[in-house]
Amino acid sequence: KAGVTQTPRYLIKTRGQQVTLSCSPISGHRSVSWYQQTPGQGLQFLFEYFSETQRNKGNFPGRFSGRQFSNSRSEMNVSTLELGDSALYLCASSLGPGAVGTEAFFGQGTRLTVV
Amino acid sequence: AQSVTQLGSHVSVSEGALVLLRCNYSSSVPPYLFWYVQYPNQGLQLLLKYTTGATLVKGINGFEAEFKKSETSFHLTKPSAHMSDAAEYFCAVRKVTSSGDKLTFGTGTRLAVRP
Repeated sequence: KAGVTQTPRYLIKTRGQQVTLSCSPISGHRSVSWYQQTPGQGLQFLFEYFSETQRNKGNFPGRFSGRQFSNSRSEMNVSTLELGDSALYLCASSLGPGAVGTEAFFGQGTRLTVV
Repeated sequence: AQSVTQLGSHVSVSEGALVLLRCNYSSSVPPYLFWYVQYPNQGLQLLLKYTTGATLVKGINGFEAEFKKSETSFHLTKPSAHMSDAAEYFCAVRKVTSSGDKLTFGTGTRLAVRP
């Protein structure tokens, strides 16, 4: 069974640009969550999607957005990039609500560097 | 609100020595607790989880953790450290509600293993 796939693995962008990151969950998993990891703030929750609907959102500015497609694949978008957006962005997939005893599986992450 | 505290951002042990990584949680409901490991430039890999049932949980690579409700703790242990255990370890608590599902992580403990 393939794991969680995130593309691309590495990105370098310039301040002010926008970026789109992609996440393909494990087959059969319908919930996708996104996390930002930085040395200063650690792992912080961005948002969660289930059945193409955003169910939960962390405390991030509106520049951070996401969506989920009917095949459960998800994308997150960051507009008007700032230097502080440089981070490892991690995607996690899980079965979804109701399967509370199960765990989330993480992808390898996308390393975003803003210059 | 749920939260996780990991005591000790850096722990160093000798190869073959006991590994003990500390995690305390705060939760208003019975928690779902997890330990994840992260190797450099990688995503998070699940070591073990506690949901319900047996309070001593065994995971991969010889790790185990004991859920102690009276102490609100979920410490991670391994009897004998191996060089390959050097990594960063994260304790997490999962909050599941009708409006969303997210993991809240501790700040992480970096484990160094001395030859």
